[in-house]
Amino acid sequence: GIQVEQSPPDLILQEGANSTLRCNFSDSVNNLQWFHQNPWGQLINLFYIPSGTKQNGRLSATTVATERYSLLYISSSQTTDSGVYFCAVVGSGGSNYKLTFGKGTLLTVNP
Amino acid sequence: ETGVTQSPTHLIKTRGQQVTLRCSSQSGHNTVSWYQQALGQGPQFIFQYYREEENGRGNFPPRFSGLQFPNYSSELNVNALELDDSALYLCASSPSPGGNSPLHFGNGTRLTVT
Repeated sequence: GIQVEQSPPDLILQEGANSTLRCNFSDSVNNLQWFHQNPWGQLINLFYIPSGTKQNGRLSATTVATERYSLLYISSSQTTDSGVYFCAVVGSGGSNYKLTFGKGTLLTVNP
Repeated sequence: ETGVTQSPTHLIKTRGQQVTLRCSSQSGHNTVSWYQQALGQGPQFIFQYYREEENGRGNFPPRFSGLQFPNYSSELNVNALELDDSALYLCASSPSPGGNSPLHFGNGTRLTVT
C-alpha cells in the first residue's frame, strides 16, 4: 500500500518562531489532509489539500502532487500549536477509501 | 452544523469481554469510517460503512465488526478483547465514500483493556 513519511519526527520551537513540516508519499493520491492532534487526542482537520496551496491564518499548506510531497507551514507559532501534526493520504489505487497516516511530527512550542 | 460525536469518551474493560462504541456522523454525511490509534502511533484504518454496508476493511481480525444505521450513525463492536486492543478509537464521517472528500473526526473513545 501507499507509504507516508513525515519529517521531522520531533520539533521544539520558541514561541514566535516559524516552522515547516514535510510529508512525502509513495504514490499518487486522491486526498491529502493535514491534522493537528491536541494533547486530549482530538484530531482537528487543518487542510484538505490533494494539490495546490491553501492558507488559513498563520497556517498554510502546499502539495506538489507530481513530486509526491506536501508541506505545512506554521508562522509565529504559539504554545497552543503544540501537539502532533499528521499527514494522511488516500491513494488513487485500489484501496481508495481509507486514509493512510504518517507517524506524525510532535511539535512543542515553549513560551 | 453538528460535528461527529462519539460515546463513551472513556471505557475500561477486562480481557475477554466485549465492547460497543458509538458514533454519530456529521449532518449531511452518509459515510462513516473507524480508526484505531495506539499510543505513539498514527491512526490505523479499521473499516468504512456506506449505505449500511461495509465498504472496505483494513487489516483487523473478524472480532472487530460494525454496523451502520439508516440515520448514518454507526457502532464498532469488538469481541474477545485483548490487551493490545487498548487504544484511542476514532470515528470519521464524510459526505461520500471513496477518497475525494475530507474526513472529519470525532473526539474518540479511549479504551483500556486490563
